[in-house]
Amino acid sequence: GAVVSQHPSWVICKSGTSVKIECRSLDFQATTMFWYRQFPKQSLMLMATSNEGSKATYEQGVEKDKFLINHASLTLSTLTVTSAHPEDSSFYICSARATGSGNTIYFGEGSWLTVV
Amino acid sequence: SQQGEEDPQALSIQEGENATMNCSYKTSINNLQWYRQNSGRGLVHLILIRSNEREKHSGRLRVTLDTSKKSSSLLITASRAADTASYFCATVTNTGNQFYFGTGTSLTVIP
Repeated sequence: GAVVSQHPSWVICKSGTSVKIECRSLDFQATTMFWYRQFPKQSLMLMATSNEGSKATYEQGVEKDKFLINHASLTLSTLTVTSAHPEDSSFYICSARATGSGNTIYFGEGSWLTVV
Repeated sequence: SQQGEEDPQALSIQEGENATMNCSYKTSINNLQWYRQNSGRGLVHLILIRSNEREKHSGRLRVTLDTSKKSSSLLITASRAADTASYFCATVTNTGNQFYFGTGTSLTVIP
């Protein structure tokens, strides 16, 4: 079946630095990718929707300059957490909608970010 | 939550019993999907039900959808210890551009 790969799975960074998380669709083209954040024992909160070749659409309350999303190709979207702070520590999950698949969406395994 | 609520928040049952989780949502949808998440892991898609469907089955899973009440339920029959996980409903808007999750139900199946 379709696979979405996230990298890295785990990352620890120092406060004030930036960290990039990649989301790749391995065997299909994804016109739309979604980024979510999940705090422990909570649900997934949609952060932004990114469409290939255009600017991401951010949900209310999500800082565009803080969470930079790039969807430069049909198989890759990146989320960069800029000037990370401990409160940004969370589980980040991406998902991708395959071109022509209607509403079939595939999820990555997630990336744990810890800011120290 | 962004789109909906689930109840109960937590459910603990004995192996072999049935587990029922409910999901309510806020806006019109194209379809509703149920996912499972083991602790600290990604999501596993369980079942999708379209807005014009009322009930769907997949193995031990039964999903219902009531668009007039904006609610859905997931029934897991003959539960197993391996079913222990968090279960989320997710709704896809009519434009297909937003995909929101409910608050989730944490299910514990006691062997």
